[in-house]
Amino acid sequence: EADIYQTPRYLVIGTGKKITLECSQTMGHDKMYWYQQDPGMELHLIHYSYGVNSTEKGDLSSESTVSRIRTEHFPLTLESARPSHTSQYLCASSRPQNTGELFFGEGSRLTVL
Amino acid sequence: QQQVKQSPQSLIVQKGGISIINCAYENTAFDYFPWYQQFPGKGPALLIAIRPDVSEKKEGRFTISFNKSAKQFSLHIMDSQPGDSATYFCAGRWGAQKLVFGQGTRLTINP
Repeated sequence: EADIYQTPRYLVIGTGKKITLECSQTMGHDKMYWYQQDPGMELHLIHYSYGVNSTEKGDLSSESTVSRIRTEHFPLTLESARPSHTSQYLCASSRPQNTGELFFGEGSRLTVL
Repeated sequence: QQQVKQSPQSLIVQKGGISIINCAYENTAFDYFPWYQQFPGKGPALLIAIRPDVSEKKEGRFTISFNKSAKQFSLHIMDSQPGDSATYFCAGRWGAQKLVFGQGTRLTINP
């Protein structure tokens, strides 16, 4: 059972605000991911990391940025939020054994007014 | 092409019936095909997965059927129960654990 935590669970902010979505995992997993989930359900990879100081952009272009200074922590930042950023953001991690299984957090639902 | 196409978008099945969700892919580099289950307010969780050298995998009431030549795979839920009501995602894996997800199927099991 993986433990991966996301905060905040829900966030409503105004346009132009800077926000950081936090993601932490206690499993010591090297690989971590951020997915954006549309209201219509589809999941898109926006960032991933294979370890400390490693970050890559995913398949869906995103104005957000990520950092990986510690193994257990993978925060996502939006410097200036816009209504188009309204979405659910899901953080995930995976074991180093390359089993193919992702462990997801419960998500951060962001609404930008 | 890294897309995975999933259908139907929504599905209603009577309790005790068989739920069938289909997926198709183009990328022959996919080496692993998982299905994830997501309940409202939760993140997706791995349900069952298959590798392309296997034609079928069964775990309890859940079965994946895989057709490599047609590049299609499907999830069958036997004896569907109201607790199975959730959103289901198929996916294909490529490039060291990068998953490409299908569009999702919202399954409702009527009691």
